Amino acid sequence: SQKIEQNSEALNIQEGKTATLTCNYTNYSPAYLQWYRQDPGRGPVFLLLIRENEKEKRKERLKVTFDTTLKQSLFHITASQPADSATYLCALLGTGRRALTFGSGTRLQVQP
Amino acid sequence: GAGVSQSPRYKVTKRGQDVTLRCDPISSHATLYWYQQALGQGPEFLTYFNYEAQPDKSGLPSDRFSAERPEGSISTLTIQRTEQRDSAMYRCASSPRGGGENTGELFFGEGSRLTVL
Repeated sequence: SQKIEQNSEALNIQEGKTATLTCNYTNYSPAYLQWYRQDPGRGPVFLLLIRENEKEKRKERLKVTFDTTLKQSLFHITASQPADSATYLCALLGTGRRALTFGSGTRLQVQP
Repeated sequence: GAGVSQSPRYKVTKRGQDVTLRCDPISSHATLYWYQQALGQGPEFLTYFNYEAQPDKSGLPSDRFSAERPEGSISTLTIQRTEQRDSAMYRCASSPRGGGENTGELFFGEGSRLTVL
């Protein structure tokens, strides 16, 4: 069956360090993968999209990699700040599906 | 409008009652999605519209759930004969793109939290 796996345990890091979150998927052949940020009580907010033919995408302090062989995307936040504390969701288009499927998200806590 | 607007923000109802949730997408957006989100989980797909067409309703959990977008703008999600397991956050999202392989970023509303007693 198709699965998207994100670490359910919260990631706690010190301010200024790089946070790395993982999204693994099985039985998908996605054309692209997206990352969203969700704050408590709010709707998800789009951050980045990376296509299958792109190895890496950057936006300010954010970097996403996409390895279709490993079936994995890594999401990095460099020079992390307490304001980066949130839940981060990955999403992709399932084979034969017409809407995004989301992972369960990983909560990031950046300590000052 | 400027963003995706959902109403009501909170709805408490008794088991067996019907509820209707409303979504007003960003005005220029072609596609509209309904997702259900449980606490601590990611959004789960319910259905989507491309203008007024509904190409995919495979995520609707039962025939008690239905959605409409009659004029290709505002959409409603109706749950008939509500059950306690229907309690969740219902999120609407819209996108300027056409859906499917053309799906771009989704713009989410703040959601409607449904509690069924």
